[in-house]
Amino acid sequence: EAGVTQSPRYAVLQEGQAVSFWCDPISGHDTLYWYQQPRDQGPQLLVYFRDEAVIDNSQLPSDRFSAVRPKGTNSTLKIQSAKQGDTATYLCASSSDWGIYAEQFFGPGTRLTVL
Amino acid sequence: QQQVRQSPQSLTVWEGETAILNCSYEDSTFNYFPWYQQFPGEGPALLISISSVSDKKEDGRFTIFFNKREKKLSLHITDSQPGDSATYFCAAFLSGGSNYKLTFGKGTLLTVTP
Repeated sequence: EAGVTQSPRYAVLQEGQAVSFWCDPISGHDTLYWYQQPRDQGPQLLVYFRDEAVIDNSQLPSDRFSAVRPKGTNSTLKIQSAKQGDTATYLCASSSDWGIYAEQFFGPGTRLTVL
Repeated sequence: QQQVRQSPQSLTVWEGETAILNCSYEDSTFNYFPWYQQFPGEGPALLISISSVSDKKEDGRFTIFFNKREKKLSLHITDSQPGDSATYFCAAFLSGGSNYKLTFGKGTLLTVTP
């Protein structure tokens, strides 16, 4: 069974540019998460979906970040106008269950550098 | 405010020794604690987890000890191997109604020297 796939694996931008990250979760997983992982820190949840519905986006910088999962399968995270502080690895994860015992399976991430 | 704290930031042990990684938390409503292992260039992967109703969880060379009263956990890796060299994250599940979120610590970088 294929794991969580993400693309691109790397992105380098100038401040003010836009970028999109794409995630394909494990087949059948109805819950999808986006995390931001700054260098030498743990992942920090940005937003998560159950099917196509946003469950929590309270940590998503709404003025520049957006995330969609229109058909409840693949998802796109977009940064409208990148800042140097957005430099981090963006991780996508998926789970088949709902609740605290749901194991999250992570993709390899997209490493973003904003110059 | 860091709700999940880990120490040390980095740890080096010799092959065959026991590595001890520490974790503490502040919110007493946290009730499930997974530990994730992350290799460079990869996403984290679940290693072992414990519920707050238990005080110990063992899986092969990996053991979690949990002290609910002190809000502390530790991950013990016995007979450490060079392949165990990775970053280890302690995480905690916070649930509010139907909203379940994982909070991660900053991680401990473990190096096992042959």
